[in-house]
Amino acid sequence: DAGVTQSPTHLIKTRGQQVTLRCSPKSGHDTVSWYQQALGQGPQFIFQYYEEEERQRGNFPDRFSGHQFPNYSSELNVNALLLGDSALYLCASSFIGSGQREKLFFGSGTQLSVL
Amino acid sequence: KNEVEQSPQNLTAQEGEFITINCSYSVGISALHWLQQHPGGGIVSLFMLSSGKKKHGRLIATINIQEKHSSLHITASHPRDSAVYICAVFKGGAQKLVFGQGTRLTINP
Repeated sequence: DAGVTQSPTHLIKTRGQQVTLRCSPKSGHDTVSWYQQALGQGPQFIFQYYEEEERQRGNFPDRFSGHQFPNYSSELNVNALLLGDSALYLCASSFIGSGQREKLFFGSGTQLSVL
Repeated sequence: KNEVEQSPQNLTAQEGEFITINCSYSVGISALHWLQQHPGGGIVSLFMLSSGKKKHGRLIATINIQEKHSSLHITASHPRDSAVYICAVFKGGAQKLVFGQGTRLTINP
C-alpha cells in the first residue's frame, strides 16, 4: 500500500514562471492538504481539498491555487513565482470520516527553488 | 505571538540521555500531533493526542488540556533520534493544522 506520493521531488524555476506540484493520497484517503515549509520554519497551511473543492484556505495569495481530481489526487499551482516561494511543499492526506482521530500521513515533499 | 510555541528550538544531548520537548498552545484544540521530520523533508506522525498520555517504544507523549501544554519525551536517546520534532494542533473543529516551529534534536554518540 503506497503512502502519500508527491512529484517532482525537486524543481528549479525562475521568477515569474508558473509551477504545478502533484500529490497522490494514501489509499483510502479522500482529503488532501497542502503546506509550505520555509527553511528552518514549521509548515504553514495553504489549503485543503475534499470532494474536488477547496474547503479551507490559509493566508496565501490567489497566486496559489489547487485542484482535486475524481481519484482524490491533487495539484498545487503557483503562478508568477517569487523568490520567497522557494520552500518545501508538503502534501498530507486523510479520510474525512475519521475526523481528526487518526495519525497524519505526509508525502516526502517537493523542494521548489526559485531563482 | 505564534499560536503554537515549542521549546527548546535546538537541543543537543549525549546518547542515552532522557529528552523532553515542550509544546504550548493558545487556542482551543480538538487534537494535537507530534511529528518527526528527518533531513530531506519526510514527515512521520508519531502521536495523536486529545487527552492523557501515549507511549510507543522509547517515546512518550503527554497532554494537559487545562494547561494547554504537551510534552514529548524520549528515553535512552540514540543518534538515530536526531531529527526535527514538530508539534501541530487542529484548532477547534477546523480541518487545518497549525504547526509549531519545530525543535531540532541532535543526539551525539
